Amino acid sequence: NAGVTQTPKFQVLKTGQSMTLQCAQDMNHNSMYWYRQDPGMGLRLIYYSASEGTTDKGEVPNGYNVSRLNKREFSLRLESAAPSQTSVYFCASSEAFGGGANEKLFFGSGTQLSVL
Amino acid sequence: SQKIEQNSEALNIQEGKTATLTCNYTNYSPAYLQWYRQDPGRGPVFLLLIRENEKEKRKERLKVTFDTTLKQSLFHITASQPADSATYLCALPSGGYNKLIFGAGTRLAVHP
Repeated sequence: NAGVTQTPKFQVLKTGQSMTLQCAQDMNHNSMYWYRQDPGMGLRLIYYSASEGTTDKGEVPNGYNVSRLNKREFSLRLESAAPSQTSVYFCASSEAFGGGANEKLFFGSGTQLSVL
Repeated sequence: SQKIEQNSEALNIQEGKTATLTCNYTNYSPAYLQWYRQDPGRGPVFLLLIRENEKEKRKERLKVTFDTTLKQSLFHITASQPADSATYLCALPSGGYNKLIFGAGTRLAVHP
């Protein structure tokens, strides 16, 4: 069982370039999330998808778009990268959404993104 | 809005001692609170969940308490080992449903 798989692991972009971060989970989870982690600030929620076919903004959505391609895959797109988007990005999934019994998150290993 | 405060200073302890980490939140008491472990270069890994009607939860050498009066959770690792060295994150739901917010984490270093 691979769990949550993120690609790529590392990426360097120039300001203004675009890219898509890919995430896939093989646990048949309903909900998926994108977080960014910056030093001293903890994980901040960018977007989430409660179930296949739905997406919603989190705490810091500006400059990002997402697509829930199917139940397994949830991608994060940076249309025009900015230095402020330099961060480590984590994808996560959970079985339930809405206060169910299985609220724990399973995380991928992260994508380290640098925008120059 | 809800905020989480964790001690940003690293906690250094001797092997065999009990490590105690603190998580404070600022506003309403959440329905539950979670603790995660994060190793360098890796994603967080879930450890324990405690609900608001539970005072204490245990799992092997781990113990979590939840005091809604103090708006605080304590995370204890007994008989600590160097392998317990990591950053520990506190998380709780905010803004409804399972939208978790995370503290910045406390780094624990257990010395032989």
